[in-house]
Amino acid sequence: AQSVSQHNHHVILSEAASLELGCNYSYGGTVNLFWYVQYPGQHLQLLLKYFSGDPLVKGIKGFEAEFIKSKFSFNLRKPSVQWSDTAEYFCAVTSYAGNNRKLIWGLGTSLAVNP
Amino acid sequence: GAGVSQSPSNKVTEKGKDVELRCDPISGHTALYWYRQSLGQGLEFLIYFQGNSAPDKSGLPSDRFSAERTGGSVSTLTIQRTQQEDSAVYLCASSHGQGAGDTQYFGPGTRLTVL
Repeated sequence: AQSVSQHNHHVILSEAASLELGCNYSYGGTVNLFWYVQYPGQHLQLLLKYFSGDPLVKGIKGFEAEFIKSKFSFNLRKPSVQWSDTAEYFCAVTSYAGNNRKLIWGLGTSLAVNP
Repeated sequence: GAGVSQSPSNKVTEKGKDVELRCDPISGHTALYWYRQSLGQGLEFLIYFQGNSAPDKSGLPSDRFSAERTGGSVSTLTIQRTQQEDSAVYLCASSHGQGAGDTQYFGPGTRLTVL
């Protein structure tokens, strides 16, 4: 069965620090990979996704993620975080297996950025 | 345009009562998903509707849970004989339904508390 692991459950950073959140998935076939973000009091929203092509994906607010197929990883990065990046970050994967379109989610990483 | 809406935003009920949660997807989206987010847990897939196809009910945790989607639009998630472990935030999402790379757009969720 597919699964997604996010290695950092709680991360605390100071503004301007660099961020990398780990995400690994288990599935050998073709996948689509997503990072969603949930700001305090707001809906889940898409941060970025990998569909095909360039494995380095750029998203909103200066975030990027790199799909490394050999490592089954899709780590999220940002060179310099801001206080407004404080949020919960979720990695998710979906596969092309049959008609299955459900997202399999990691447990999330809570990021707190101190001003 | 309008996003995904869910009602009610909060529901407090007594153990053993039935509850209905409603989701209005984005107009034109053929795919609709229900997820459950429990405290300290990731998002748990419940059920997926795609057009007129039979829904994928593989995530429903018990036969107390059911969902329907009328006219390919509005969906209702029903939980019968609620239990305290059903307390969670129930999220609805919709997408264009064009493939595994679809972005899912989430509603604000319904926070269910079973006393």
